Amino acid sequence: QQQVKQSPQSLIVQKGGISIINCAYENTAFDYFPWYQQFPGKGPALLIAIRPDVSEKKEGRFTISFNKSAKQFSLHIMDSQPGDSATYFCAASNGGSNYQLIWGAGTKLIIKP
Amino acid sequence: KAGVTQTPRYLIKTRGQQVTLSCSPISGHRSVSWYQQTPGQGLQFLFEYFSETQRNKGNFPGRFSGRQFSNSRSEMNVSTLELGDSALYLCASSLGQGNTYEQYFGPGTRLTVT
Repeated sequence: QQQVKQSPQSLIVQKGGISIINCAYENTAFDYFPWYQQFPGKGPALLIAIRPDVSEKKEGRFTISFNKSAKQFSLHIMDSQPGDSATYFCAASNGGSNYQLIWGAGTKLIIKP
Repeated sequence: KAGVTQTPRYLIKTRGQQVTLSCSPISGHRSVSWYQQTPGQGLQFLFEYFSETQRNKGNFPGRFSGRQFSNSRSEMNVSTLELGDSALYLCASSLGQGNTYEQYFGPGTRLTVT
């Protein structure tokens, strides 16, 4: 119940295309869903996050879509660029006063020029 | 604000030795979480400290321990190092209270055990 399942494990997209990464969760108490971006040799960086009271959040080329009934959320990267090549992690908060983030396994995204 | 800093950035140790890693969180953040990341693996949660108390713990053996000081700086210790402990160790700081859950990561310490 504490797991966050992320797919695909790796993804290759042509420059200018749309990259889509999906995550699914079981625990309905989760109330915060962030996405992190990690470049090789660096720590993950917070990219965008959403709360369950909205179905979509957009920041520039990055959009989170959230489906509460299906317990799924996804990251869409529009007009994907080679600089977007990185590993992406989804996560979910444990809710309450725990403050622990439960992490997906990560998706290695490669954008081909 | 200065970001999360971790020292040292790189470390080479021999099997059987012990090691201490340090993390300084963002000013005002009272929570520090530690993660282990190995090639091809995700983020494996080690433990989280808030106001000098361990609040959450992952599934790692007792060789992995940590502590947090009154200024929120945190240290992580690994005793009796094994080859499998070679990894990138990341710390993340957060407010740890209220309605905010954002974690901000440091650059990591790359530990190599030979």
